[in-house]
Order: sequence, then structure tokens, then C-alpha cells
Amino acid sequence: NAGVTQTPKFQVLKTGQSMTLQCAQDMNHNSMYWYRQDPGMGLRLIYYSASEGTTDKGEVPNGYNVSRLNKREFSLRLESAAPSQTSVYFCASSAWGTGGGEQYFGPGTRLTVT
Amino acid sequence: KQEVTQIPAALSVPEGENLVLNCSFTDSAIYNLQWFRQDPGKGLTSLLLIQSSQREQTSGRLNASLDKSSGRSTLYIAASQPGDSATYLCAVMPSETSGSRLTFGEGTQLTVNP
Repeated sequence: NAGVTQTPKFQVLKTGQSMTLQCAQDMNHNSMYWYRQDPGMGLRLIYYSASEGTTDKGEVPNGYNVSRLNKREFSLRLESAAPSQTSVYFCASSAWGTGGGEQYFGPGTRLTVT
Repeated sequence: KQEVTQIPAALSVPEGENLVLNCSFTDSAIYNLQWFRQDPGKGLTSLLLIQSSQREQTSGRLNASLDKSSGRSTLYIAASQPGDSATYLCAVMPSETSGSRLTFGEGTQLTVNP
């Protein structure tokens, strides 16, 4: 099992450009999450999907959109990138309701917006 | 709003020492607590998950305890090794029924010196 995979690993964008971060899991988990990690701020939840077909805002959703494409895939879109979105983005998944809620993380995407 | 604090922010110890990392949270109504390890430039690796009904969990040289009423958890590492050097994060999950969102502390950066 690959676990949670993310693409791309690195990305540099100019202000105003758009991009989509991809995430997939092969553990048959029902819940998936997007976090960002910034120095001095820790990890903060952007959006999550408790189950296929549902999405909800987390702590810092402004400037982002998400799509739960199917049970395996959960994408994060930046429509018009801003320097404040420079961060490391992590996707995670869990078997909420059946697996005790333990979360498994992907390797991250390091995004720089200039 | 749940807040999670980890003390100390950084810790440097000689190899072989037993050590304790601390995590405190402000709202005792949690579903579970999870300890993670993060190596530089990498994603998060789950170490231990403690359900709210449990007092402790053990994995190898690691032992995590939970005292919900006082809002505290500790991660005990026995016989530390240089390979244990990493940032250790704790995260709590609220006792809500959907989403299993995590609130993270900022971590303790551990250095084990040979």
C-alpha cells in the first residue's frame, strides 16, 4: 500500500496563478483532510471531507476550494494564488467511525508564491 | 476553542537518556489524542493513538499517557537514540460526531546527541 500520496512535491507560482494539489489514499478511508503548516502557526485545517460527497470548511478556508472526486481522491484548488499561501500543504485520511479516527499523512507539497 | 500547548519547544539530550515530552489541551471533551513524529522536510508519521477511554498506549520504547480531566498527555521515550531526533507533535480530536478534525500543538523539537 502506498498510503497517502500527494502531487506535486514542489511548486512555484506567481501571484494570481491557479493550481490544484492532488491527494489520493489507498486505505479505503472515508474521511480526508487538507492542512497547511507554517512556522510559528503549527498545522491548521483548511478543509475536510467526512465522507464521499461531503466537504466542510476548517480553520483557514479562505482562498481555497476542494473537491472530493471519489472515495480515494481529494483535491485542493488555489484559484488566485497569493504570497500568504506560501506554505507546506499536507493531505491526510482516516477511517472515522470504524478505525478510531487515527489520521495518516501524505509527504506534503511545498508551495512558494512569488 | 481548543488550544494545544507543547512544552518544551526544544530539547537536547545525550544518547541513552529517558525523556518526557508534554502536551496540554484546554478542552477536556476530546475523542482521542494522537502523537506524531515529523522529520525535517517530511510528512507526519503517526506514533500512538490514545482513545478518550484509555489511560495509556505503548509501542516499543514509546509510552503515551492521557489524563483527560487535567487536560494533559505525556510521551515517554526510553533509552533515546540519535535516530529519535525529530519534531514530536500532539493533536487532539474533538468529541463531535463528524469529521474527526485534529487540533495540533506546535511541537517539541528533540535532538539526541551521540
